Amino acid sequence: DQQVKQNSPSLSVQEGRISILNCDYTNSMFDYFLWYKKYPAEGPTFLISISSIKDKNEDGRFTVFLNKSAKHLSLHIVPSQPGDSAVYFCAASPRRVDSNYQLIWGAGTKLIIKP
Amino acid sequence: EAGVTQSPTHLIKTRGQQATLRCSPISGHTSVYWYQQALGLGLQFLLWYDEGEERNRGNFPPRFSGRQFPNYSSELNVNALELEDSALYLCASSRTGIEWTLHFGNGTRLTVT
Repeated sequence: DQQVKQNSPSLSVQEGRISILNCDYTNSMFDYFLWYKKYPAEGPTFLISISSIKDKNEDGRFTVFLNKSAKHLSLHIVPSQPGDSAVYFCAASPRRVDSNYQLIWGAGTKLIIKP
Repeated sequence: EAGVTQSPTHLIKTRGQQATLRCSPISGHTSVYWYQQALGLGLQFLLWYDEGEERNRGNFPPRFSGRQFPNYSSELNVNALELEDSALYLCASSRTGIEWTLHFGNGTRLTVT
């Protein structure tokens, strides 16, 4: 049972345009969400997070939107740059860091920025 | 600040052998997490160690085990290797009980032949 789903294995976007990566979750206990970026031969690096008390969080070119009723979040990258080409993972968990919980990860979306 | 370091970078073993993977967390981080990323799949949670204790374990057989040392470094052991254990093994660290923001190493690529 996939509790966190990233339904697009890959996405191709023109440089300078907006990239929108989507993530859906099924567990209503999840109230903290993170996005990570991964380059080949490197570990994932933290990008941006959002808790359920917010519906939007911005950090520079990156904005994450959370729609709790739809159990859906999206990552917007504006404008897209060649260095943004990577695999993007969505992860979710209950907010409290507790040994009963763990981060649940999506399968990732490979973003390709075309020059 | 030095990041999370993992060794070796690559490891080739034959079926039935044992593999030992090592991880050093960021200084000041006491929690260490191990993940498996098989080809084309997301990160599958293996183990979480904190302050030397195992805090949580993913849905993996007992032949996946590990430990955390007093300096918070960690070791993942995989016994009786099977072909499907071939994957990228990622270690991450975080500050205890405070945040889910994990800092990852570059991984160990394990190939079982």
